[in-house]
Amino acid sequence: EAQVTQNPRYLITVTGKKLTVTCSQNMNHEYMSWYRQDPGLGLRQIYYSMNVEVTDKGDVPEGYKVSRKEKRNFPLILESPSPNQTSLYFCASSFFLGAEAFFGQGTRLTVV
Amino acid sequence: AQTVTQSQPEMSVQEAETVTLSCTYDTSESDYYLFWYKQPPSRQMILVIRQEAYKQQNATENRFSVNFQKAAKSFSLKISDSQLGDAAMYFCAYRSRETSGSRLTFGEGTQLTVNP
Repeated sequence: EAQVTQNPRYLITVTGKKLTVTCSQNMNHEYMSWYRQDPGLGLRQIYYSMNVEVTDKGDVPEGYKVSRKEKRNFPLILESPSPNQTSLYFCASSFFLGAEAFFGQGTRLTVV
Repeated sequence: AQTVTQSQPEMSVQEAETVTLSCTYDTSESDYYLFWYKQPPSRQMILVIRQEAYKQQNATENRFSVNFQKAAKSFSLKISDSQLGDAAMYFCAYRSRETSGSRLTFGEGTQLTVNP
């Protein structure tokens, strides 16, 4: 089954404690991205990757890091989380300039 | 940069009735996709319908149809015969076919309530 898998689905952490949210896709997509969803703001892109070892900033990259060492995986790293990073996070993948993006199940992150 | 605006934070409809959700966007490009995504309480992002800008014909998927007005940069979603399962947050989104980055730009969302 074609899918994008994010883990964990829920995470509560404390300020400053490094965390990683994993994302994996099994569709051989070149393009992967991370979004955060906040009330009244819709989804905003954090980082994206057009292929292995090719990543770039989206609209709201501050406080986040990513890596793309393998085509299928695109982890999101928060090295020193802060409360303003409390949000719902989505990973998505697609063929480059493809019509449809496939989304993971979402990760609800709370930073206290 | 492209922007997408959904001016209706909340909408409600009676079961079996028809409702239209509005979306406007701003772009200088001519080749792009427009989407409507549905997000139920499960949080999953579900693609409802897709429109390719170079196609003049409005897309239709069962009870869902769009009114795509390219010159006016308007892309509304019509839900016919509304069902309780249609209750969700709906997002309008834009995706360029011309520029690198290939991001989805989302509107703010419209929360749809379906009343029995």
